[in-house]
Amino acid sequence: DTGVSQDPRHKITKRGQNVTFRCDPISEHNRLYWYRQTLGQGPEFLTYFQNEAQLEKSRLLSDRFSAERPKGSFSTLEIQRTEQGDSAMYLCASSLAQVTGELFFGEGSRLTVL
Amino acid sequence: SQQGEEDPQALSIQEGENATMNCSYKTSINNLQWYRQNSGRGLVHLILIRSNEREKHSGRLRVTLDTSKKSSSLLITASRAADTASYFCATDGLIQGAQKLVFGQGTRLTINP
Repeated sequence: DTGVSQDPRHKITKRGQNVTFRCDPISEHNRLYWYRQTLGQGPEFLTYFQNEAQLEKSRLLSDRFSAERPKGSFSTLEIQRTEQGDSAMYLCASSLAQVTGELFFGEGSRLTVL
Repeated sequence: SQQGEEDPQALSIQEGENATMNCSYKTSINNLQWYRQNSGRGLVHLILIRSNEREKHSGRLRVTLDTSKKSSSLLITASRAADTASYFCATDGLIQGAQKLVFGQGTRLTINP
């Protein structure tokens, strides 16, 4: 399977706990994106990497959120001191920078904060 | 923030009918893309249309783009129950260095057997 994989698919946590999501992109893709999607809404951009460099961060990404892509391969998104408003689907996508701009999405990690 | 707005927000039709969804956006673009999402799943790319193109076809899909009106439409012909999903338009920006896609809020399409 050479698609984008995300782990875990589902996470239930209590308010105040830290959570970490992992994304493994398609191996030859140098761009990696994180989006957040709440029920009934479209995906909202959070951040993206080109190789290991984090090139853009949304204002939605508060200081409780941090994303890394240390070796330009997999990426992690950590949320510290979770709040109920963080409950959402966190989507990862990857692409090749030089071509059409089509994004390949993973199945998402659904976070529920109690 | 969402750049695109889809219309209608929800659409319910009978199997075999055609489904048309519209998207409007605010800023100049390089290209516009349509994605599909089944409930609880990730998004799947359907079609990309460049700013210098006016119409594009892929199987039962037909996409139009009117850059003067900053709008696009997605037509699904001869709909099937399996087409039930949410459909999103997404645009990039012409601003130097803008490399992300901005998605609309989507149209929830239901195909009734």
